[in-house]
Amino acid sequence: GQNIDQPTEMTATEGAIVQINCTYQTSGFNGLFWYQQHAGEAPTFLSYNVLDGLEEKGRFSSFLSRSKGYSYLLLKELQMKDSASYLCAAKTGGGNKLTFGTGTQLKVEL
Amino acid sequence: DVKVTQSSRYLVKRTGEKVFLECVQDMDHENMFWYRQDPGLGLRLIYFSYDVKMKEKGDIPEGYSVSREKKERFSLILESASTNQTSMYLCASSFQGTGGNEQFFGPGTRLTVL
Repeated sequence: GQNIDQPTEMTATEGAIVQINCTYQTSGFNGLFWYQQHAGEAPTFLSYNVLDGLEEKGRFSSFLSRSKGYSYLLLKELQMKDSASYLCAAKTGGGNKLTFGTGTQLKVEL
Repeated sequence: DVKVTQSSRYLVKRTGEKVFLECVQDMDHENMFWYRQDPGLGLRLIYFSYDVKMKEKGDIPEGYSVSREKKERFSLILESASTNQTSMYLCASSFQGTGGNEQFFGPGTRLTVL
């Protein structure tokens, strides 16, 4: 079966750095997505990793280790608007089917 | 500006009713997906489609069916709604092929079955 684990909740301070971890056990793994979802809104795409290593995109970076079944999303210079749920999703098989984790609710405080 | 739209933001139905949820995308995407999202369970795939008139079961297809008669439109049907189908329903679409073809999501339909 497919299994994706991420912490349920995290709290961080405005201006700080936070790392949200995700571990996965999936068959036919073919890439790892991160999405951001604000309350009452649709998920929006943040990043995609298929090779090992770090992908940087502005204040957000994402890391993947395929051998360890592990990924993290790094958010720098946190802003209040970063308070949201962050969804880790593994792409499996040749198509675009995704298996999602339950999401990490990040709260940014002053 | 890419867009996925869903027919309703909020819907209230009675147990046993037949319910249609419509999703339309304007990006010429081959793939379309229906998920439900519940607290503590995350996004779970109900059905998906890779092409017109083509459908495949996701992880929780029981109690649901789908229809894709045109490339841009993907419908989710609850044949006989039950209270355990009260949920947020999200539609998504993406291009086919290998690589990081992200899924674009619609705004969601919050369905309440009484």
